[in-house]
Amino acid sequence: GDSVTQTEGPVTVSESESLIINCTYSATSIAYPNLFWYVRYPGEGLQLLLKVITAGQKGSSRGFEATYNKETTSFHLQKASVQESDSAVYYCALGDPLTGGYKVVFGSGTRLLVSP
Amino acid sequence: EAAVTQSPRNKVTVTGGNVTLSCRQTNSHNYMYWYRQDTGHGLRLIHYSYGAGNLQIGDVPDGYKATRTTQEDFFLLLELASPSQTSLYFCASSGSPGQPSQNTLYFGAGTRLSVL
Repeated sequence: GDSVTQTEGPVTVSESESLIINCTYSATSIAYPNLFWYVRYPGEGLQLLLKVITAGQKGSSRGFEATYNKETTSFHLQKASVQESDSAVYYCALGDPLTGGYKVVFGSGTRLLVSP
Repeated sequence: EAAVTQSPRNKVTVTGGNVTLSCRQTNSHNYMYWYRQDTGHGLRLIHYSYGAGNLQIGDVPDGYKATRTTQEDFFLLLELASPSQTSLYFCASSGSPGQPSQNTLYFGAGTRLSVL
């Protein structure tokens, strides 16, 4: 089946340092998956951080970037300089562009702690 | 502002108890979902619906019922709660297949349920 594997947390980073959260996927039933990063801040629901629908393309939002790499089946999340407000849980996910959200598969989430 | 609202935010019940979790969305979406989130697991789909009166079984439906009374309202029912159902529950909505962002999910803030 389809699956997503991401960095096991918690990940602790000092403010202004760089960040990478790894995400690899397996899409056996989806020919051209869409890839997502969602973020969950304390006390809130998940919200879309970025989405990329085409292999080779890069998505960016709030200083975060991720590139859809079909060769390595990866979609790593990076940020050059984190802030304390980035402390949250980050979820990598894949979805089928031909169906609804019921085929979205989530990774287990990576808790990021940014220390001042 | 369009949103997904869950209630209650926290719930404690005893084994064998009856629990109803509520979700209302004002996104005008046809699709609504119930997920559970447990440590070490990604979000797992319990049930979903593509319209009032419709119910579809997700990946982990055992022990749960659901009902979609209107386009806006989706309820999750635990009729004989067990400790294994202690979890963080999220409701979400999305557009329909063929619509823009059909597989982008919009989440509520979650309900933390403890079954003692």
